[in-house]
Amino acid sequence: GQNIDQPTEMTATEGAIVQINCTYQTSGFNGLFWYQQHAGEAPTFLSYNVLDGLEEKGRFSSFLSRSKGYSYLLLKELQMKDSASYLCAPMDSNYQLIWGAGTKLIIKP
Amino acid sequence: NAGVTQTPKFRVLKTGQSMTLLCAQDMNHEYMYWYRQDPGMGLRLIHYSVGEGTTAKGEVPDGYNVSRLKKQNFLLGLESAAPSQTSVYFCASSPGRTENEKLFFGSGTQLSVL
Repeated sequence: GQNIDQPTEMTATEGAIVQINCTYQTSGFNGLFWYQQHAGEAPTFLSYNVLDGLEEKGRFSSFLSRSKGYSYLLLKELQMKDSASYLCAPMDSNYQLIWGAGTKLIIKP
Repeated sequence: NAGVTQTPKFRVLKTGQSMTLLCAQDMNHEYMYWYRQDPGMGLRLIHYSVGEGTTAKGEVPDGYNVSRLKKQNFLLGLESAAPSQTSVYFCASSPGRTENEKLFFGSGTQLSVL
């Protein structure tokens, strides 16, 4: 079956760095998305990886290892506004997104 | 540009009542989706549409119907609401469904079925 595993909750300090891991098993693979979702709001696109390696976008970076079925989202210079849930979503061979339950990130001053 | 607009934002139903959620997008996107989001679970696809006049079942279609009479609108209907349908519903759209097409989401509808 298809499965996504990411931590339920993480806590970090303002100004620090945090890494949110995601492991996945899908029927085929057409890339992996990360979305950010603030409480009570809609998910918004953060990043997309289809090839192995690191994609950097400002304070946020996303890494993919297809052979290991593993991705992580790296957030640097954490700000209070980064408190949100982070959703990992690989795309299977039918271009269907398989959504993880999300990691709730709590930022403390 | 409004993007993706969902109405209403909140709704309370009694068991057995019916209702329709409206989703509208002004980005000329071909693909539209309805998801539900429950605590501790990932987004689950209810139905989707690949273009005007077409609909297809997603992961959890039972108890829901959809229609896409116009390209910009995607309606989600509940004919006889059940408490298990209490959830947050999100509509989304995308230009296509290839490997790098991101989704644009509406702001969500909180539905409570009593």
